[in-house]
Amino acid sequence: AQTVTQSQPEMSVQEAETVTLSCTYDTSESDYYLFWYKQPPSRQMILVIRQEAYKQQNATENRFSVNFQKAAKSFSLKISDSQLGDAAMYFCACHQGAQKLVFGQGTRLTINP
Amino acid sequence: DTAVSQTPKYLVTQMGNDKSIKCEQNLGHDTMYWYKQDSKKFLKIMFSYNNKELIINETVPNRFSPKSPDKAHLNLHINSLELGDSAVYFCASSQVRFAGGTGELFFGEGSRLTVL
Repeated sequence: AQTVTQSQPEMSVQEAETVTLSCTYDTSESDYYLFWYKQPPSRQMILVIRQEAYKQQNATENRFSVNFQKAAKSFSLKISDSQLGDAAMYFCACHQGAQKLVFGQGTRLTINP
Repeated sequence: DTAVSQTPKYLVTQMGNDKSIKCEQNLGHDTMYWYKQDSKKFLKIMFSYNNKELIINETVPNRFSPKSPDKAHLNLHINSLELGDSAVYFCASSQVRFAGGTGELFFGEGSRLTVL
């Protein structure tokens, strides 16, 4: 059963605008991390941002921030001031066990100049 | 100095052949992984090793045999290759939470396997 769901296969945004990518998850862990990874055409997997589940404060990394709703098991990624270099596949990931990170299906983000 | 390196980056081979992919990490992590990314970009865990011991085997066909000679290396050998094995295979490492880490995966660049 899919435990990490990204409901938007594709998204597009105008350069300099803001876009939000959705992710919902399910886990039996009581203490876990959530991650967003970016995969540009080079295929390298790059960590964008991480969130520790017991921290209520939403994580922020420069133009990237998350909206973490633990009760709703929702973990969305907001990209502000979108840049052409943000174009990539974005994957949400959650722990299912200490040594197993499960990924969502991915969202392909296009930036329109 | 590359943190997680895997070789080769590309393999093209015929059905029925055997191939290997090597992976090495210099991050001092205890846990290493193989993930498979299919043509639809879906990333699925195949194996996880902790300090050379197999922890996770996600119902992968036994044609796939991982080997971890030490905690810095995890190799993947595939026997009798099939068309459906065509994919990108990613090696990754992490320091898991109970060992003081975050469980964040550090990925290699991926190895694209094409079976003809």
